[in-house]
Parts: sequence; structure tokens; C-alpha cells
Amino acid sequence: AQTVTQSQPEMSVQEAETVTLSCTYDTSESNYYLFWYKQPPSRQMILVIRQEAYKQQNATENRFSVNFQKAAKSFSLKISDSQLGDTAMYFCASLTGANSKLTFGKGITLSVRP
Amino acid sequence: KAGVTQTPRYLIKTRGQQVTLSCSPISGHRSVSWYQQTPGQGLQFLFEYFSETQRNKGNFPGRFSGRQFSNSRSEMNVSTLELGDSALYLCASSPGPGQLFADTQYFGPGTRLTVL
Repeated sequence: AQTVTQSQPEMSVQEAETVTLSCTYDTSESNYYLFWYKQPPSRQMILVIRQEAYKQQNATENRFSVNFQKAAKSFSLKISDSQLGDTAMYFCASLTGANSKLTFGKGITLSVRP
Repeated sequence: KAGVTQTPRYLIKTRGQQVTLSCSPISGHRSVSWYQQTPGQGLQFLFEYFSETQRNKGNFPGRFSGRQFSNSRSEMNVSTLELGDSALYLCASSPGPGQLFADTQYFGPGTRLTVL
């Protein structure tokens, strides 16, 4: 069974600053993927970034990057140059190669202050 | 490409009724998954369909069912609605096996179901 843990319920950051959201996971599978999704107040779930477990290089997407520590089963998201539009709930999720079921963490509410 | 679409966006039903939700995946995507989101339980997996076959099922009662059509569109049905079924129901599509980023799921806007 897979588990995903996001222990911080909420965070706040000043506009233009950098913030890191934490996530740990547990899986017995060797082939898996990790994701960060963003859910703004509109409730649309938006894919932020994905990471294949077999890749050692950390994924980056513009202002978003991850710190993937496979041995520690840690997958944190760094948001650089935070913008007001980054205000949302962020979910960490895992998926194994054996099935297509995403397992989500409880999410973290991020507020970007002007 | 158009994104995942879900209809209706909002629905109000009473206990005991049944409801059908619809999901149209991104063009070319063959896998459709359904999730239930509630404040108390968070995001929970309902089921996943690929090529008109249910490949995976979450831990929900038999009142929750689904199907997929030959054009990959999917429907989800909930019978004998209970108050606890009030939730945001999210549909996600992914390319499916053998395709680039086969398992990456893209979500629709959701259907907000309220059971009175």
C-alpha cells in the first residue's frame, strides 16, 4: 500500500519570495511516479510537476522545482518568485507502475501575501 | 487540445435518488479515473477505466459504479444517494499504456454534488 504524508496544513509566503512545501511517501514498489497538483479556489486540479522515481535528476517547470530524495522517501516542492496566483491548495501524490490509482496527501494551503 | 470536461458542474439531489455524472477525456486519452473529494476524507480513488474495462477499483460500496464508452467518455453512477455522498467528484484522464507520460493524470473541473 502507498501512503503520502503532508504534515504542514498551511503556509504563508510573501510575494516574490521562495517557499518549500514538504511531502514524504511510502511505497514498496520500485517503479513509481510522484506528482504535485495545485487546486486553486476554483477547485480545478492542475498538474504542477511530475517526477519519475528512476530518474535521479530533479524535475523543474519554470518557477517550480522538486527536491527528490529517494532514500529518504521525500519529495518537496520549491516555488521561486512566488506570485499571488500561486495561492492554492497543493497536493502531493504518488502512483505506481502497477496501477493507475493516485494516492494523495491531505494537502497544504499556501497563501501568497502581497 | 481541449481539457477534460465534466457535466454537470453542479447537482442537487435528495436522499434515495440516483445520479449520473459524465466525463469527456482529453482527445487521444484512453484512461479515465474518478475521485471523490470531501473535507473530511480528502481525495479518494473510486475507479479507473481503460478500453471500456474497469482496471482498478477503490474501496467504495457497490452503489458507486461506472462505465466507459468506445470513444473513451466515461460516466459514473451513484444509486440510493446518502447525505455522505455530498462531495466534489473529479474525473481525470491519462494517455494510457504505451503512450508518452502514460500514467500522468489531467483533471476536469469536477461536479459538485449536494445531497439533501
